[in-house]
Amino acid sequence: EAGVTQSPTHLIKTRGQQATLRCSPISGHTSVYWYQQALGLGLQFLLWYDEGEERNRGNFPPRFSGRQFPNYSSELNVNALELEDSALYLCASSLLPGQPQHFGDGTRLSIL
Amino acid sequence: AQTVTQSQPEMSVQEAETVTLSCTYDTSESDYYLFWYKQPPSRQMILVIRQEAYKQQNATENRFSVNFQKAAKSFSLKISDSQLGDAAMYFCAYRSPLSTQGGSEKLVFGKGTKLTVNP
Repeated sequence: EAGVTQSPTHLIKTRGQQATLRCSPISGHTSVYWYQQALGLGLQFLLWYDEGEERNRGNFPPRFSGRQFPNYSSELNVNALELEDSALYLCASSLLPGQPQHFGDGTRLSIL
Repeated sequence: AQTVTQSQPEMSVQEAETVTLSCTYDTSESDYYLFWYKQPPSRQMILVIRQEAYKQQNATENRFSVNFQKAAKSFSLKISDSQLGDAAMYFCAYRSPLSTQGGSEKLVFGKGTKLTVNP
């Protein structure tokens, strides 16, 4: 069974640009979660999607947004990139809300 | 808001020995879930073990076991017969049940403990 897949592995952008990160959940999983792992800040919850709807978001500005497609894959969009957005962005999926979350390898976003 | 604290930034253990990683949390909820995740240098977060707060029995997965002390809000991870492949960052995480008002499915993580396994 394929795990959670994320692309790209590494993304390099400059300040002010926009970034799009992609995530494909484990087959059959309907919930997708996004976390930011920034140096010194640990893992912080960003967004939760289930059945195509945004169910909850963490304490991040509106320039962090995303969506979930009918096939349950998801995109995370970050607009007006700032230096502090440099981090590892992890996507996770679960079979249903309430089930354990399984993570992908992450996308390393570097802002120059 | 719930918080998770891992007081040991780094730990080391000799191969084949036992090590215990500490985790404490703060919550006013009576029902919740606790997890230990492992993140090796390859970056992928791997679920090691989970514990439901309503269960008094400590969870066990092969060489991994937990000591769940609900009253003390403590959730330590014991790794027995440590192997070189156990070297990783270990994160303790908390999740509210969906039934809780505001239960959001988000995981609240501790800062992590870096475990080194010495041959």
